Amino acid sequence: NAGVTQTPKFRVLKTGQSMTLLCAQDMNHEYMYWYRQDPGMGLRLIHYSVGEGTTAKGEVPDGYNVSRLKKQNFLLGLESAAPSQTSVYFCASRPSLRANYGYTFGSGTRLTVV
Amino acid sequence: GIQVEQSPPDLILQEGANSTLRCNFSDSVNNLQWFHQNPWGQLINLFYIPSGTKQNGRLSATTVATERYSLLYISSSQTTDSGVYFCAPNTGGFKTIFGAGTRLFVKA
Repeated sequence: NAGVTQTPKFRVLKTGQSMTLLCAQDMNHEYMYWYRQDPGMGLRLIHYSVGEGTTAKGEVPDGYNVSRLKKQNFLLGLESAAPSQTSVYFCASRPSLRANYGYTFGSGTRLTVV
Repeated sequence: GIQVEQSPPDLILQEGANSTLRCNFSDSVNNLQWFHQNPWGQLINLFYIPSGTKQNGRLSATTVATERYSLLYISSSQTTDSGVYFCAPNTGGFKTIFGAGTRLFVKA
């Protein structure tokens, strides 16, 4: 089925380790986003991309890097994980800003940093 | 930046009851979305509603942009409606801000 796929679904890291979260969409969407969700809170935007080869900072970008080398993939990297980055990470995509419909979300990645 | 306030923060309903969830926002918006996050964490887009009223089955939403609020109506609630409902306005550009959500539990 078409949609947004996130890998991995779960991960435990030790403080200081690095990892990359992968988001893949097969809907030919232009815009892609990475959010984090902490307990009892809404989603906060980490980084986003408006097209292949472009990225921009969101509300909480510190400690993360992103890349969008291919239109269908949006990667989120943690270079040196910290306990404060324990969260659930969601990727989302949408076709364009003018489209009369909104986001499609992935199922999330639950990350624990110990 | 824009402030988003959702009320009530928590809501418990008996199956079959109706409810209204409210979203207030502090700035003019270009568009607004409502999402449902089910108990397994999956986020589903319910409505894309910059203004006016839309209906989808037992759910409907109304946004009054000039008065800076949006309402989500749930009629004849079912246990599968349980979860968290998020309001997410966009003030322009590529950023969409999420409210803290209304946590709904529907009892059988």
